[in-house]
Amino acid sequence: EPEVTQTPSHQVTQMGQEVILRCVPISNHLYFYWYRQILGQKVEFLVSFYNNEISEKSEIFDDQFSVERPDGSNFTLKIRSTKLEDSAMYFCAIHTISYNEQFFGPGTRLTVL
Amino acid sequence: AQTVTQSQPEMSVQEAETVTLSCTYDTSESDYYLFWYKQPPSRQMILVIRQEAYKQQNATENRFSVNFQKAAKSFSLKISDSQLGDAAMYFCAYRSAYDDMRFGAGTRLTVKP
Repeated sequence: EPEVTQTPSHQVTQMGQEVILRCVPISNHLYFYWYRQILGQKVEFLVSFYNNEISEKSEIFDDQFSVERPDGSNFTLKIRSTKLEDSAMYFCAIHTISYNEQFFGPGTRLTVL
Repeated sequence: AQTVTQSQPEMSVQEAETVTLSCTYDTSESDYYLFWYKQPPSRQMILVIRQEAYKQQNATENRFSVNFQKAAKSFSLKISDSQLGDAAMYFCAYRSAYDDMRFGAGTRLTVKP
């Protein structure tokens, strides 16, 4: 089964600061997703990334968010100027053709103070 | 737009008993996938079971099984011989092809010893 790691596991930041969350799939994949889960709420789709381009994004994914694969393997989510309401768990997921499945990473807990 | 509804915010079951969690969804697609994810206190998303819409046979994974009613757009999860370790949030999810996942609001399952 494919593995996905995410770093850091927990990030604490001050409001207005930039944060970068990283997703590291163990093997090479084409499809990546970012999801967000505010505490006590459901998991919400943010953005999907295919072949090094954004393929779809939700209304949550506004101009303060960006994604990229800086070195062809890591997949990052950047929040330019964090707000209190950005505090949440952020999950990276990969889609594998062989399994035809999405596998979730363990998540990064972001706390904005 | 696809929506997923879980009408039971909380459920409780006695250890060794059976419990059924409900999920309904709305879609105009004919080919799609349905999932149940378990989220323990660690907040990691763990895939419990999946169902392809084109398959008439209900999926089973050990003590977990589903009742998939395509015409009614219903996808319930049955947990047999409940164990203390089954206590968690359970999310029903939908996706079509390579699209993002759409999650329900979740059901918190408590297992009583």
